[in-house]
Amino acid sequence: SQTIHQWPATLVQPVGSPLSLECTVEGTSNPNLYWYRQAAGRGLQLLFYSVGIGQISSEVPQNLSASRPQDRQFILSSKKLLLSDSGFYLCAWSSGTGVNSPLHFGNGTRLTVT
Amino acid sequence: GENVEQHPSTLSVQEGDSAVIKCTYSDSASNYFPWYKQELGKRPQLIIDIRSNVGEKKDQRIAVTLNKTAKHFSLHITETQPEDSAVYFCAATRGSARQLTFGSGTQLTVLP
Repeated sequence: SQTIHQWPATLVQPVGSPLSLECTVEGTSNPNLYWYRQAAGRGLQLLFYSVGIGQISSEVPQNLSASRPQDRQFILSSKKLLLSDSGFYLCAWSSGTGVNSPLHFGNGTRLTVT
Repeated sequence: GENVEQHPSTLSVQEGDSAVIKCTYSDSASNYFPWYKQELGKRPQLIIDIRSNVGEKKDQRIAVTLNKTAKHFSLHITETQPEDSAVYFCAATRGSARQLTFGSGTQLTVLP
């Protein structure tokens, strides 16, 4: 069966520091991968998605970037964190084939920028 | 683009009663409607979904109905239990997960 791993679970970082969140998927090949952010316990905002290695699409302009160095690895990064980057970050995957494939979320990373 | 509105934002029911959460969507081409449950501090989890060729789908105490003409769909939970307490999100897409648009969420509280 497919599983998705996301780490770390929690992170406290000072303003201006770099960020790297990692996500890996097991049990499937060529998945579509996503990074979402959730602020204040509500509202899932799509940040990035990827349909293949090296292919990244950004949904909103921001201080963050994403990379997909391997088929089942998705990384969210920032060179300099802002206070407004605090939130609950969720990685997700869906099948790369067919339409109407559901999203499956990782356990999330709670980021606090101080 | 798609716009999904979800109501109510908060809902309290007595244990054993039914709960109904409603969503409307704007894009008539949307054809897939999943529902997610998110417990406090945890990830959203898919609980049920429906495709546009079906008007109703049921899974034990959970059911979803879809009215394509009116462009709205609803989640029905019967015989609610305290463990049903969570935030519920509806979503809609015209075909791909990357186009999934989420509602703003409903905080359901089941009172014992």
